[in-house]
This record gives sequence, C-alpha cells and structure tokens, in this order.
Amino acid sequence: NAGVTQTPKFQVLKTGQSMTLQCAQDMNHNSMYWYRQDPGMGLRLIYYSASEGTTDKGEVPNGYNVSRLNKREFSLRLESAAPSQTSVYFCASTRGGLAAYNEQFFGPGTRLTVL
Amino acid sequence: GENVEQHPSTLSVQEGDSAVIKCTYSDSASNYFPWYKQELGKGPQLIIDIRSNVGEKKDQRIAVTLNKTAKHFSLHITETQPEDSAVYFCAAIGMIYNQGGKLIFGQGTELSVKP
Repeated sequence: NAGVTQTPKFQVLKTGQSMTLQCAQDMNHNSMYWYRQDPGMGLRLIYYSASEGTTDKGEVPNGYNVSRLNKREFSLRLESAAPSQTSVYFCASTRGGLAAYNEQFFGPGTRLTVL
Repeated sequence: GENVEQHPSTLSVQEGDSAVIKCTYSDSASNYFPWYKQELGKGPQLIIDIRSNVGEKKDQRIAVTLNKTAKHFSLHITETQPEDSAVYFCAAIGMIYNQGGKLIFGQGTELSVKP
C-alpha cells in the first residue's frame, strides 16, 4: 500500500508557464482534496472531489483547475503560473461517505517555485 | 464559513514538560475536530480527533479537550519527548456532505522539545 502519492516532488516554473500536479491513492477512497501550505497560513483547500465525477471549489481556487480522472487519480493544473502560487501543495484522500468523520491521508507534497 | 484560529505559533519546551496548543472556531455547527502532526518534509498525519458529543479524549500522552460553549479546543501533550518536535495543526469540519467534508485548518504551531 503506497497510500497517497504525488508527482513531482519539486518543480521550478517561470511566470506564465503551465504544469499539472499528479496525485493518486490506492486506498479505494471516495473523496480527494488539494491543499496549499504557506508559512503562517496553515493548509488552505484549493479544490476537492467528494466522489468520482464531481469537483468543487475550496477556499482559494483562483488560478487552478482540477480533474478527477478516475477514483484513484486527482490532478491539479496551473494554466499560467504566477509567483503567488509558490507554495507546497498537498493532496489528500478520505473514505468519505455518510459517516464522514474520517481521517484524511496526505501525500508527501510538491514544492513549487514560480520565478 | 468556518474560521479556525490557533495559538501559539511557536512553542518551545524542555523534554518531560507538558505542551498545550489552543484553537478557537467560529461556526457553532462544527462537529468534528482533528489534530494533525507534520514532521519536516512530510505530509500531515492525524494524531487524535474529537467529536462534538465528547468533552475530552485521551490517547497515551496526548489528550484533546473541547468546550463547545466557548467554541475552543486544545491539544495537551504530556511528558514531551524530542520526537514530538513537529508542526501541529488543528482543524474543524462544519458541513458534512454525503461523501466527505471540508476541513478548515488553523495556522499551525511549531513545537520544539529541547533535550
């Protein structure tokens, strides 16, 4: 069981470039999330997918798009990167369902720098 | 929407002492309060959680208390050890969807345990 995996681990972009962050989980979880972590601001939700086929905005969705490719995979795309998107990005998943007090399992993160 | 405030931002204790981290939340409908520990270079990991129908929960050296009237909850770590050094995040979940819920995180507390 690999849990939640993210690629790449590190990335440097120039302003205006695009890229996709990949996330996959092998725990048969229904719900998946993308967060960004900035110093002094905790983790902020960018987008989430409550179940396969659905996506919704979180607290800070501007400048991002997502795709729930299948039950396992949830990607985050930056169409035109900006320096304000320099951050550490975490993907997470949870079983979801009606008893939604479920632990979120986090990936190891992607450290992104936009110059 | 929900807002979670966490204090202090940094905390330094001697090995063997206790550490207390406090959080307040704004949404009186919030009913689930997890705590996550993040070690350097890794994703956050759940260490303990509490639901709104419980006032206190313990797991070995870790305890969490919840005061719903005052809308605050706290993490207590007793007999601290150097391996407790990490960043700790509190969180609250307000709306429970059919499949998964959204966590709102506090800003994080960097705990340093000095041998």
